[in-house]
Amino acid sequence: NAGVMQNPRHLVRRRGQEARLRCSPVKGHSHVYWYRQLPEEGLKFMVYLQKENIIDESGMPKERFSAEFPKEGPSILRIQQVVRGDSAAYFCASSPPGTEEQFFGPGTRLTVL
Amino acid sequence: GENVEQHPSTLSVQEGDSAVIKCTYSDSASNYFPWYKQELGKRPQLIIDIRSNVGEKKDQRIAVTLNKTAKHFSLHITETQPEDSAVYFCAASISGYSTLTFGKGTMLLVSP
Repeated sequence: NAGVMQNPRHLVRRRGQEARLRCSPVKGHSHVYWYRQLPEEGLKFMVYLQKENIIDESGMPKERFSAEFPKEGPSILRIQQVVRGDSAAYFCASSPPGTEEQFFGPGTRLTVL
Repeated sequence: GENVEQHPSTLSVQEGDSAVIKCTYSDSASNYFPWYKQELGKRPQLIIDIRSNVGEKKDQRIAVTLNKTAKHFSLHITETQPEDSAVYFCAASISGYSTLTFGKGTMLLVSP
């Protein structure tokens, strides 16, 4: 689980700017999940991706948010025109095919001023 | 969709005591139930999980029980230590469709 990498670890944006969060899964893991954690709350599912495919985006707001997991490179969660309510910790998790176990990255803490 | 309720939200125990955290779920199709430990400012870490084909699983001081009929599962920590202090999250998912639905967490404080 130490293999899931996220960057940046902290990100500060002003309202209206774009936030781009990156996640590199454990080598060999083809499934990536993004979760959002508000202060003193649990983790809320946002989106589930496999290489080049979005499997489930039911937890992701339809406006301003998008995610991708290209054939090469990290998974990206993009938030356009950020608002203060987007301030949260965003965690990425990965799992190998055929298992349910998800291993989390260290998270990106987004602060919107 | 799935809904997971977790209790209590906070739990204070003395070192050496046992701690029990309980969760209920709503979707009878759920069959995978992991528990995560999250220390302040750190990533959630998987500590134990259970699948619906077993009723209990143990790993040293940690055990998890599952009652599929009642749709609840519990985490048991025995001989608690100060380093067990953290927020614990339960979750549920349907095997083969791995999206996890989390409870809101239990803050466990173990006092020396």
